[in-house]
Amino acid sequence: DAGITQSPRYKITETGRQVTLMCHQTWSHSYMFWYRQDLGHGLRLIYYSAAADITDKGEVPDGYVVSRSKTENFPLTLESATRSQTSVYFCASIGRNTPDTQYFGPGTRLTVL
Amino acid sequence: KNEVEQSPQNLTAQEGEFITINCSYSVGISALHWLQQHPGGGIVSLFMLSSGKKKHGRLIATINIQEKHSSLHITASHPRDSAVYICAVLPGGSRLTFGEGTQLTVNP
Repeated sequence: DAGITQSPRYKITETGRQVTLMCHQTWSHSYMFWYRQDLGHGLRLIYYSAAADITDKGEVPDGYVVSRSKTENFPLTLESATRSQTSVYFCASIGRNTPDTQYFGPGTRLTVL
Repeated sequence: KNEVEQSPQNLTAQEGEFITINCSYSVGISALHWLQQHPGGGIVSLFMLSSGKKKHGRLIATINIQEKHSSLHITASHPRDSAVYICAVLPGGSRLTFGEGTQLTVNP
């Protein structure tokens, strides 16, 4: 289906484990973003990517790693999960031809025990 | 102090009321976005503004660049408008900075 998807939608893991959250978009949008949403903070940018093989840190990058080997995929990895990384994670994308609109994925609710 | 401040944080209205949500920001921006987050968590873009006013159905967004202020208005509010409304600014490039959101509840 066309659009932007995230997987898994829900994940429970333990402190210290590696977790990868997947984001896939079918529009060939150039820009992709990872945000986390926490009560009291709103949405905060973790990492973003302007194109394949180009990534940059956002506001809260510590403890996260991203890659973008293909335009359509932008996985986010928590190398050693901590309880403070319990959050809802949103992926988003913007196309060069539609810069007015940022399209959001459905979100992944991650709990780190 | 956050770069983007929204008010009120919570708003309860009766169906049919005119609603205003405010957003103030402290940085220079190239554009401002209004987003809607549904009770199920999904987020959709409503407007992007760089000046003036935009209207879509019962939703109206205005921005005053000099005052660093934007408002989102909902006319003839309906329970299905109940959601979190988020203001986000674009200081430059493609990186948005978000307000914490306004929780709107419209009662029938």
